[in-house]
Amino acid sequence: AQSVTQLDSHVSVSEGTPVLLRCNYSSSYSPSLFWYVQHPNKGLQLLLKYTSAATLVKGINGFEAEFKKSETSFHLTKPSAHMSDAAEYFCVVRGANNLFFGTGTRLTVIP
Amino acid sequence: NAGVTQTPKFRILKIGQSMTLQCTQDMNHNYMYWYRQDPGMGLKLIYYSVGAGITDKGEVPNGYNVSRSTTEDFPLRLELAAPSQTSVYFCASSSGLASNEQFFGPGTRLTVL
Repeated sequence: AQSVTQLDSHVSVSEGTPVLLRCNYSSSYSPSLFWYVQHPNKGLQLLLKYTSAATLVKGINGFEAEFKKSETSFHLTKPSAHMSDAAEYFCVVRGANNLFFGTGTRLTVIP
Repeated sequence: NAGVTQTPKFRILKIGQSMTLQCTQDMNHNYMYWYRQDPGMGLKLIYYSVGAGITDKGEVPNGYNVSRSTTEDFPLRLELAAPSQTSVYFCASSSGLASNEQFFGPGTRLTVL
């Protein structure tokens, strides 16, 4: 069975400091993993995806994530937070015909 | 190119009423999905479709019905609304299997009182 666990429900950082959003996954086969972002009152937008190519995946808006099989992790990082990064972030794993979403991490950026 | 559009944006229903949430995509995607998002939770799949005339249940299908008569449209029907169906509903589409990017609509916020 496929599932993801987002380890923090809320992360708060100061503008210009690094961002780390943590995600662990469980998958019965080689996983496809995604990070989606949801800004307030908006639909979800794909940030990046891992599909068994390079383990370090670069996404939009300066975000990247590293797939670590030994740790079953797929953490999302960004070197320097911007005010516009404040949003809800979802780690997602692919199932047979659909996606399984984590419960989300709300990122707050303090000016 | 509007992407995925959903109507209405907001709706309040009384218990036992019915309604249809509309979803349309203009990207010629074969795959379409309906999710619900409850407060503090991730999205749960209600139904999905792999092409016109083909639909299948997701994780939480009870209380809902769907149809897919065209590639573009994938309406979600609530027959007897219940308070437990208060949620935000998202429609999405993709060009292929779930490993492809899904494109999401802006959502419909439904309250059942």
